[in-house]
Amino acid sequence: GAGVSQSPRYKVAKRGQDVALRCDPISGHVSLFWYQQALGQGPEFLTYFQNEAQLDKSGLPSDRFFAERPEGSVSTLKIQRTQQEDSAVYLCASSLVLRDTEAFFGQGTRLTVV
Amino acid sequence: KQEVTQIPAALSVPEGENLVLNCSFTDSAIYNLQWFRQDPGKGLTSLLLIQSSQREQTSGRLNASLDKSSGRSTLYIAASQPGDSATYLCAVRLAGANSKLTFGKGITLSVRP
Repeated sequence: GAGVSQSPRYKVAKRGQDVALRCDPISGHVSLFWYQQALGQGPEFLTYFQNEAQLDKSGLPSDRFFAERPEGSVSTLKIQRTQQEDSAVYLCASSLVLRDTEAFFGQGTRLTVV
Repeated sequence: KQEVTQIPAALSVPEGENLVLNCSFTDSAIYNLQWFRQDPGKGLTSLLLIQSSQREQTSGRLNASLDKSSGRSTLYIAASQPGDSATYLCAVRLAGANSKLTFGKGITLSVRP
C-alpha cells in the first residue's frame, strides 16, 4: 500500500502478557519512528531508526519496551510483561530522510491492558 | 527541554467562520514544524510542513505561519466546514542530531452546521 501500515489495529492483553506491534513503513523511507499516545494527549516519542540502526531510544519508558528493524524496513515494537499503564495508542511514522521531509503516520495500534 | 503548547484545548465554531489555531514552543532552535489532523480513533494526517527558513505554507483552505523567534505558529482555516471537525496537533523538530517530533496536546475543533 501507499501509506504506513500498522497491525494489529486493536490489541487487548492481560496484564503480564507480552505483545508485539508491527509497522510497515512507506517503501523507501529511511527513517522510522514510534510514538505513544495516551488518551487526550499528544504523541510522545519512544524511539527512532535510520534504516536498521536504532539511533535514539531515549523515550522508551522502561526496559520492558524493545524495538527492532532488522532489515531496515518493517519494525516491531515489543512490550514484555504488559502493565495497565501501557494502555495507549502506539503510532508509527516514517519519513524519506532523517529530518527534512514530512513524517507520515500509520493508523496506530490501540493497546488495552486488562 | 522543548515544550509545545496549544490553547485552547477545544473550540466550537459555526460553519463558514474563518479561524486561527495557535501553537507555541519554548525552544526557538527548531528545524521545522508540522501541523497534523487526527480524527477520532485514527492516526495522524500531515497537513503542512514549514521549514525553519520559511514564514508560511498554504494548502487549499489552510495556511500555516511560523514566527521562529517568538516561538509561535498559527494554522488558519478559511471558511470552516463540518468536515473540518477533528483534533489539530502541531509538532516541532529541533535542530541538531535528534530528529524526534515534540507534539502539543492538540486542539479539538468542532464546526457546527
